[in-house]
Amino acid sequence: GAVVSQHPSRVICKSGTSVKIECRSLDFQATTMFWYRQFPKKSLMLMATSNEGSKATYEQGVEKDKFLINHASLTLSTLTVTSAHPEDSSFYICSASTPNYGYTFGSGTRLTVV
Amino acid sequence: AQSVTQPDIHITVSEGASLELRCNYSYGATPYLFWYVQSPGQGLQLLLKYFSGDTLVQGIKGFEAEFKRSQSSFNLRKPSVHWSDAAEYFCAVVPLGTSYDKVIFGPGTSLSVIP
Repeated sequence: GAVVSQHPSRVICKSGTSVKIECRSLDFQATTMFWYRQFPKKSLMLMATSNEGSKATYEQGVEKDKFLINHASLTLSTLTVTSAHPEDSSFYICSASTPNYGYTFGSGTRLTVV
Repeated sequence: AQSVTQPDIHITVSEGASLELRCNYSYGATPYLFWYVQSPGQGLQLLLKYFSGDTLVQGIKGFEAEFKRSQSSFNLRKPSVHWSDAAEYFCAVVPLGTSYDKVIFGPGTSLSVIP
């Protein structure tokens, strides 16, 4: 139980285009989901907290207009990287808190902007 | 400043040897504590967590961790390491009293295992 599915696992896009990453809770409802970014050989940096039915809360230094987050249902949160540039290339991971108060993570999305 | 630290960036151990990965935190109140493991290019897997109660916590894959309030530490241990344990290990906390239950990660410790 408590599975978080993240899609796609890998994506390559051209500079200037937008990319959407989906994060789904498969067997539980997640009122809150979290989006992280991980640079190579680095730790996870929290980007934003996604709340179902309301605006996301972004961490300091994260551009909310570049990283659009939508949490339209209790099982789905999406992160859209708009007007992507090579410096946006990274590993993006979502997570959700589970009923037993653990935190389950998706398998991550490797974004490469060329 | 509030933080999670993992003093060892990289550790190498021989297969079959014991392992201890260190984690210290700096928060006013004891946060919730977690250890996660990440294989290359993969997501994170929860090894174990501590909220309250018994300070010695058992996890999956033969791992355990001990919470020591006096030292603000939550060190991860395994008595006998297997080659498949080679991965990145992250200590993480959920600070209490925050508006959102966000997980804050330490910098990570990379574990290499010598056959």
